[in-house]
Amino acid sequence: DQQVKQNSPSLSVQEGRISILNCDYTNSMFDYFLWYKKYPAEGPTFLISISSIKDKNEDGRFTVFLNKSAKHLSLHIVPSQPGDSAVYFCAASEDDMRFGAGTRLTVKP
Amino acid sequence: NAGVTQTPKFQVLKTGQSMTLQCAQDMNHNSMYWYRQDPGMGLRLIYYSASEGTTDKGEVPNGYNVSRLNKREFSLRLESAAPSQTSVYFCASTIQTTLSPIGYTFGSGTRLTVV
Repeated sequence: DQQVKQNSPSLSVQEGRISILNCDYTNSMFDYFLWYKKYPAEGPTFLISISSIKDKNEDGRFTVFLNKSAKHLSLHIVPSQPGDSAVYFCAASEDDMRFGAGTRLTVKP
Repeated sequence: NAGVTQTPKFQVLKTGQSMTLQCAQDMNHNSMYWYRQDPGMGLRLIYYSASEGTTDKGEVPNGYNVSRLNKREFSLRLESAAPSQTSVYFCASTIQTTLSPIGYTFGSGTRLTVV
């Protein structure tokens, strides 16, 4: 039973454009959401997070939006850069943390 | 470099063999975790240790055991490896004692193949 879902296995965008990665969840008790970024042969690295009491959190080029009524969150990267090419994992926590399956982002020069 | 160190990076086992995956962190973190990553499944929590001397089961603990040897080290043992345990294993740590995701630092992973 996957409580956190990333329905797009891959996404390709042009350098300079916006990348939008989506995530849906089923457990309304999740109280914290976050995004991790993973390069090949490396462990995931924390990117950005948002508390369930907020609907937006911004950090430089990265913004996470939370829509609790829709149980949906998204990560916006503007402008996208080739170095952003990686697998992005969405995660959500209550008593423990659940990860989505990941979305592979490719930013083309 | 400071962080989470996992050994080995790669391992091939025969069905029924045993092995221990090692993890050490030098950030004085309280909590440590073991995850496995499988295609289409994301990261799933196997076991965690909220603090030195304690361990608890995560989402997929069957077939595994853990030891929190001291504050720095948290090992994962496969007593009798099965092909279903073929995966990439990640160790992580955080300063917090709860399962909050904030500030997790992950190791670079151990790729295990069971034949």
